[in-house]
Amino acid sequence: EPEVTQTPSHQVTQMGQEVILRCVPISNHLYFYWYRQILGQKVEFLVSFYNNEISEKSEIFDDQFSVERPDGSNFTLKIRSTKLEDSAMYFCASRPLQGARYNEQFFGPGTRLTVL
Amino acid sequence: GENVEQHPSTLSVQEGDSAVIKCTYSDSASNYFPWYKQELGKRPQLIIDIRSNVGEKKDQRIAVTLNKTAKHFSLHITETQPEDSAVYFCAAAKTSYDKVIFGPGTSLSVIP
Repeated sequence: EPEVTQTPSHQVTQMGQEVILRCVPISNHLYFYWYRQILGQKVEFLVSFYNNEISEKSEIFDDQFSVERPDGSNFTLKIRSTKLEDSAMYFCASRPLQGARYNEQFFGPGTRLTVL
Repeated sequence: GENVEQHPSTLSVQEGDSAVIKCTYSDSASNYFPWYKQELGKRPQLIIDIRSNVGEKKDQRIAVTLNKTAKHFSLHITETQPEDSAVYFCAAAKTSYDKVIFGPGTSLSVIP
């Protein structure tokens, strides 16, 4: 079964540095999402993306965050100047436009971001 | 915005017993309610979902009920097995393509 993939699996960075988290959604999916999960807490919505633009973003997704779909396969989340509180697991998800499982957001394995 | 509450935060049951997790939501515009299972260090995986035009849905040992008037929904797992041990998240969304708002999670332990 096709899966969403994410790289790297673990990223360690210094506070103030820029990071780019990469996701490859399932190939025929058209809706893309980023979520984050601080250790031991619930999964929180960051941003949704459809038709090459942001559909919705949360309060967490401030000017330090951006998303991009640079080509037909990758979907990236950039944090311009990382803060300690950005340390979390970041999940990418994608969803098909139609089909038997069009309801379902398929989650990637996550990237654990550690900001020192 | 939407707020999803979930109880209990931890649940321990004997193998073979049933487990029930209850959730409430705040936004009456929510119409889609997925449930996710997350094993330690792994991604959330959808196990069942229900839409607001349905009161109950069952898939083998898992069932969900929805009371839209009271804004309550519940997950029922029967004949629990050790491999059911995980964190379970209820969630709500306006539609199935909108952002998903997760509850805080229930850590289920099934004791052999």
